[in-house]
Amino acid sequence: EDQVTQSPEALRLQEGESSSLNCSYTVSGLRGLFWYRQDPGKGPEFLFTLYSAGEEKEKERLKATLTKKESFLHITAPKPEDSATYLCAVQVFTGGSYIPTFGRGTSLIVHP
Amino acid sequence: DGGITQSPKYLFRKEGQNVTLSCEQNLNHDAMYWYRQDPGQGLRLIYYSQIVNDFQKGDIAEGYSVSREKKESFPLTVTSAQKNPTAFYLCASKTGQGNHEQYFGPGTRLTVT
Repeated sequence: EDQVTQSPEALRLQEGESSSLNCSYTVSGLRGLFWYRQDPGKGPEFLFTLYSAGEEKEKERLKATLTKKESFLHITAPKPEDSATYLCAVQVFTGGSYIPTFGRGTSLIVHP
Repeated sequence: DGGITQSPKYLFRKEGQNVTLSCEQNLNHDAMYWYRQDPGQGLRLIYYSQIVNDFQKGDIAEGYSVSREKKESFPLTVTSAQKNPTAFYLCASKTGQGNHEQYFGPGTRLTVT
């Protein structure tokens, strides 16, 4: 059973066309939700951490929000360089430690 | 510069051979992780270590082995028992056992034929 579900799997946008990516989770007692960006053939790069419902964080054209059941990554006026796979992860308490569990990601392509 | 290094970037092996992937970090992080990534899949946890000389199995540990003899190093061995070893392997680290983000290495793409 997936604990982290990301949608859509793939998203194509025109430059300047704003949209949102979704990350829904089913873990109880959330201990942090993380967004990462991954370029092809490279390791993920950390973007944001959200800890509690109502929290928001921004970085350039990206804004992450969190509710009790899901998180959104809003992309405002995207540019081609925003093309990447965006990964969401939640902390799951296992064996005395918080272990990140990842969704499958959303592949974003922004056309010029 | 602090960071995580993985070597080599590309690795080719014949079926039936064991192969070891290197992961080194100079971030002074306690926890280290190995993930496997296949096309269209998220990151799946192979092994993790919260402290030197201790490690735990992740979701897909079968056919893999690790060691953690030094804080800076967490090598992963892909054994011949791993039925489908061709994949992109990512190493990560984070500080402590709490709610902190992970830092990832550049990855090693392993191809077994």
